[in-house]
Amino acid sequence: QAQLVESGGGVVQPGRSLRLSCVASGFTFSSFGMYWVRQAPGKGLEWLAVVSLDGTNKYYADSVKGRFTISRDNSRDTLLLQMNSVRVEDTAVYYCAKDRHNDAFDIWGQGTMVTVSS
Amino acid sequence: QSALTQPASVSGSPGQSITISCTGTSSDVGGYDYVAWYQQHPGKAPKLIIYRVSERPSGLSDRFSGSKSGNTASLTISGLQADDEAHYYCSSYTSSSTWVFGGGTELTVL
Repeated sequence: QAQLVESGGGVVQPGRSLRLSCVASGFTFSSFGMYWVRQAPGKGLEWLAVVSLDGTNKYYADSVKGRFTISRDNSRDTLLLQMNSVRVEDTAVYYCAKDRHNDAFDIWGQGTMVTVSS
Repeated sequence: QSALTQPASVSGSPGQSITISCTGTSSDVGGYDYVAWYQQHPGKAPKLIIYRVSERPSGLSDRFSGSKSGNTASLTISGLQADDEAHYYCSSYTSSSTWVFGGGTELTVL
């Protein structure tokens, strides 16, 4: 069945960079848009970014625009999130999610925890 | 990109029905039928339970239903069960080609 597995989380100092990965299996990765969503400890879900199925169109939440970059490698069924200039408030569980048909996020990974701390 | 407005908490007894509201604007909820609802149990990833306002994923119980009127969407859970106790989040597509979530609602089954 369709599955997403995130990796790359950890502890990072403010101002540094981190790259998250999300490997897809069980579906044709190149046929679907993909998303990143995060959840700070004890807080709600926050949508971060979307990339179109071919990687050409990308949109970001204001909170990460200019600092985070979403991309994908369809040859490796992998979604990426490059996080630059991280801030303490970026501390969260980061989820990747698959687009259903431009209308919802139907498959979610288990999440990877990012902690920004000095 | 302001979050959609949901009640912080709702509660109900087993067998009863509850409704969770999700209020946005004409630039998101009111402007598109791309409203979805997600259920999240503690420590778990969210799970899609409603898409396109009122559609249910294959295999999901018909105890879950969705609707929309103007800028407000609603999720109704009928025949409450203990396992329904979770957080529920709405989401909507926006006129900026982005997505926005609601703040989340904690459902307690008494």
